[in-house]
Amino acid sequence: ILNVEQSPQSLHVQEGDSTNFTCSFPSSNFYALHWYRWETAKSPEALFVMTLNGDEKKKGRISATLNTKEGYSYLYIKGSQPEDSATYLCAFQGGGADGLTFGKGTHLIIQP
Amino acid sequence: DAGITQSPRYKITETGRQVTLMCHQTWSHSYMFWYRQDLGHGLRLIYYSAAADITDKGEVPDGYVVSRSKTENFPLTLESATRSQTSVYFCASSAQGVNSPLHFGNGTRLTVT
Repeated sequence: ILNVEQSPQSLHVQEGDSTNFTCSFPSSNFYALHWYRWETAKSPEALFVMTLNGDEKKKGRISATLNTKEGYSYLYIKGSQPEDSATYLCAFQGGGADGLTFGKGTHLIIQP
Repeated sequence: DAGITQSPRYKITETGRQVTLMCHQTWSHSYMFWYRQDLGHGLRLIYYSAAADITDKGEVPDGYVVSRSKTENFPLTLESATRSQTSVYFCASSAQGVNSPLHFGNGTRLTVT
């Protein structure tokens, strides 16, 4: 069983502030790292798929970086808005493949 | 509307009964997955399929059976339901396995009494 850890478990942020959180995964046998946003009462939606060490991806105010050598990825949200409130999941794929292994998520609450 | 749909949305069944959860996608994606979501565990992979007639076990396959006779359908069967299988089940598909994003269905909430 692969170990994919996300921190913090939950996070309260004031509207307008920027924030970031971490996904840690095995540094060996890396294949891909995914980020998803999961809003209450909905299903997870893909944000990024990252495959190369040093990758940086951006979608609007959300960006992500990837360090496969040390086994971590950061997700950044700039200028948080209430609609950013959600659980953010990362998922790791190692080579030799049994599908994605998900972390337990970071639950983000944006306070007006 | 194109997409991935799961049925039923909610199901209550008794211990020992067989129950099948349906998943249908209209994108002709090669890969399909079944995950279960439980408090404290996050999403855990039950089974996945890389193409029609090809299926593989994930992290928690015991007590489940899958089939994939057609690309668009990936049903999940609980042969003899147990209370520990009470969970929310998500089906997902992707075009190219893990190099492409997963698209999730809306989930099936299953309660085994």
